[in-house]
Amino acid sequence: KQEVTQIPAALSVPEGENLVLNCSFTDSAIYNLQWFRQDPGKGLTSLLLIQSSQREQTSGRLNASLDKSSGRSTLYIAASQPGDSATYLCAVNIFTSGTYKYIFGTGTRLKVLA
Amino acid sequence: DVKVTQSSRYLVKRTGEKVFLECVQDMDHENMFWYRQDPGLGLRLIYFSYDVKMKEKGDIPEGYSVSREKKERFSLILESASTNQTSMYLCASSSPRAAYNSPLHFGNGTRLTVT
Repeated sequence: KQEVTQIPAALSVPEGENLVLNCSFTDSAIYNLQWFRQDPGKGLTSLLLIQSSQREQTSGRLNASLDKSSGRSTLYIAASQPGDSATYLCAVNIFTSGTYKYIFGTGTRLKVLA
Repeated sequence: DVKVTQSSRYLVKRTGEKVFLECVQDMDHENMFWYRQDPGLGLRLIYFSYDVKMKEKGDIPEGYSVSREKKERFSLILESASTNQTSMYLCASSSPRAAYNSPLHFGNGTRLTVT
């Protein structure tokens, strides 16, 4: 059974730091992996999607990597800002029982201090 | 940009009421999903649909039903609301035509409180 883990559950850093968020999954048979941002009381906003054949994707100050063989993905945030404060979730897309499903981690709550 | 719209941001209902949560997407996506999100439990899939009038149970369907009469609209129904259904409800959509490259798009969520 696929399980997705995000450690740490919470992280606090000073403004300007580069930081890495981690996502681990137990089964490498994934279609893609997606990183989301969630602000308090809001829905999830898609940040990056990495296809199973890709190693990384970049968008502005964000870079996501994928290592299927080790079951790991990282989200790198460069030069963090207070506006980056949010919860970051990863999800893997798998094909099971004839359908596509998304399995989510429980997220890392990030606070960037001014 | 894909837009997924949930009709209510906040709802307060009484125990035993029938509750309808509505979700509309504007990108002609075949796939639509309903999740609930609770602290410490993450996102859990309630129901999903891959086409009009088609529905599949997710991981926690008990106490819920769904309706998809039109491609753009997916409704979640709480047949008889209970206090343990107090939660954040999130609707999402995606396209299966290129599943490996199709992001999941979420609405802003509905915070439901059952008293």
